[in-house]
Amino acid sequence: DQQVKQNSPSLSVQEGRISILNCDYTNSMFDYFLWYKKYPAEGPTFLISISSIKDKNEDGRFTVFLNKSAKHLSLHIVPSQPGDSAVYFCAAGGTSYGKLTFGQGTILTVHP
Amino acid sequence: EAGVAQSPRYKIIEKRQSVAFWCNPISGHATLYWYQQILGQGPKLLIQFQNNGVVDDSQLPKDRFSAERLKGVDSTLKIQPAKLEDSAVYLCASSLHQRGNEAFFGQGTRLTVV
Repeated sequence: DQQVKQNSPSLSVQEGRISILNCDYTNSMFDYFLWYKKYPAEGPTFLISISSIKDKNEDGRFTVFLNKSAKHLSLHIVPSQPGDSAVYFCAAGGTSYGKLTFGQGTILTVHP
Repeated sequence: EAGVAQSPRYKIIEKRQSVAFWCNPISGHATLYWYQQILGQGPKLLIQFQNNGVVDDSQLPKDRFSAERLKGVDSTLKIQPAKLEDSAVYLCASSLHQRGNEAFFGQGTRLTVV
């Protein structure tokens, strides 16, 4: 039962353009969503989060959008840089649910 | 601030052998998680501790996996006996509270069972 899904295994973007990574969830108990970035041979690193009381959260080049009715969130990276090339994981948890559930990940490649 | 420490970084064992992984969370973090990440998949929660008590171990294969967190700080995850399908990266993470905030991950232990 895949409660958090990232349907795009990979995404390729030109440097300077926008990267959009998508994530869908099914469990309506989730009310807290996070994005993690992972480089090879390292653990995931927290990037940005959003609570279900918001529909947008911004941190520098990174913006997360949440559409609760569609149970969908997305991560926008503008402008994309080659150093952003990594695997991006979407995760969901909640104040009443506890554990973090991860999606399968999307490999982002930003070309110079 | 020191991050989550894990050891060893890499381990190769034969099937049916046993193996143990160690984790030291960030100081003051009450919640500790062990995740299994199989190649090409997202991390899957094996067990979650709140201090030294188990909050969730619903996805832990209890016939071969065990974990403990003595004194609510360090934790050990053990596999006995190992199977080929246990080959994965085992990630330890910690967070300040049980719910509603981000978890910080260690570098992981890459286990290869041959």
